[in-house]
Amino acid sequence: ELKVEQNPLFLSMQEGKNYTIYCNYSTTSDRLYWYRQDPGKSLESLFVLLSNGAVKQEGRLMASLDTKARLSTLHITAAVHDLSATYFCAVDSGGSNYKLTFGKGTLLTVNP
Amino acid sequence: NAGVTQTPKFRVLKTGQSMTLLCAQDMNHEYMYWYRQDPGMGLRLIHYSVGEGTTAKGEVPDGYNVSRLKKQNFLLGLESAAPSQTSVYFCASTLRGVGNQPQHFGDGTRLSIL
Repeated sequence: ELKVEQNPLFLSMQEGKNYTIYCNYSTTSDRLYWYRQDPGKSLESLFVLLSNGAVKQEGRLMASLDTKARLSTLHITAAVHDLSATYFCAVDSGGSNYKLTFGKGTLLTVNP
Repeated sequence: NAGVTQTPKFRVLKTGQSMTLLCAQDMNHEYMYWYRQDPGMGLRLIHYSVGEGTTAKGEVPDGYNVSRLKKQNFLLGLESAAPSQTSVYFCASTLRGVGNQPQHFGDGTRLSIL
């Protein structure tokens, strides 16, 4: 059974600081997704990572995937208040069903 | 662009009542999924479908049934609602055989069972 663990679950940071969210998973997979969710809203796709060593960047966010370590990271550079949200990683369990197993999410609060 | 539309957005039920949640997508996606989101639990897969007329169980299927009579619609049913089914329900869809496409989510249905 695939297990996905995110840490930290809660992150409070000041504007301008850098931080990293970690996503570990328990079985082999080379398809990993990052989503953002604002309070009371839907999930918005941020990144799709499909191979070992994949790196994607969008604005102040950068995601990477190490399939050998079964680890993905979401790095935040010079945080701004607008990045406050809950971030989820989700791992494809493999096969042709494209089922996702989600981490519990990281609630990020960026303070002025 | 409608994308994935969920109906209703909010609902309050009494224990034992039944209801159906509707998910409709206009992207011609083959794969559709129902999740529930509970505080501190992330999203958990209830049922999914890989095409019209097919359904399969996910991680937490008990107490729910689904149907996919039309490609664009995926229905989630609660036959006899229980307070433990109070949750936010999300529907998602994605293209068949295209792993580099993320799942696209609806806005959710907030369901309370009293």
